[in-house]
Amino acid sequence: DVKVTQSSRYLVKRTGEKVFLECVQDMDHENMFWYRQDPGLGLRLIYFSYDVKMKEKGDIPEGYSVSREKKERFSLILESASTNQTSMYLCAITQGMSTEAFFGQGTRLTVV
Amino acid sequence: QQPVQSPQAVILREGEDAVINCSSSKALYSVHWYRQKHGEAPVFLMILLKGGEQKGHDKISASFNEKKQQSSLYLTASQLSYSGTYFCGTDTGIGANNLFFGTGTRLTVIP
Repeated sequence: DVKVTQSSRYLVKRTGEKVFLECVQDMDHENMFWYRQDPGLGLRLIYFSYDVKMKEKGDIPEGYSVSREKKERFSLILESASTNQTSMYLCAITQGMSTEAFFGQGTRLTVV
Repeated sequence: QQPVQSPQAVILREGEDAVINCSSSKALYSVHWYRQKHGEAPVFLMILLKGGEQKGHDKISASFNEKKQQSSLYLTASQLSYSGTYFCGTDTGIGANNLFFGTGTRLTVIP
């Protein structure tokens, strides 16, 4: 079974805090993605990575950064959390081009 | 680059059919379809590659028209278990392996 693990299911942070969301996979897949899910807006791509230390911006990268130092781990960083970053965050992985995506269980982040 | 889905929501009675559409402003190499149940992660249904091939998965099938940059998901004789939010995912096939998901369609099947 493919396993994509996100470090927390629920997280509450204060405005201005630096927040780290972690995603770890056990499948040696090359591509990793971070999305945020909001009602009516679907899944919006924040950043993705196709190799260690390689990253690409998605549709909504502002206010976020990412890090991929090891193949199995992809971190999403909120440098200074704001209330409009309250959302469900989903990590996904794929292997190669145009293949099935596997998702983590999601992290519901609340910024107060 | 987020694809647009329609309708946003649909309510069906068991046994009825539905069509969910996905449209992109970019040329596409492939289209994916996923279903997400409440509180769970999205689960893969099928993928269609450039070539216009129609795929089937029990009573759920899909088509892909790459010239129009559109895909449609067909659910026939719906069952209660079909309820959930459906997402299309698109890949342009250019540059790094990208995957953009749509705005979602909430499908509710009632007895």
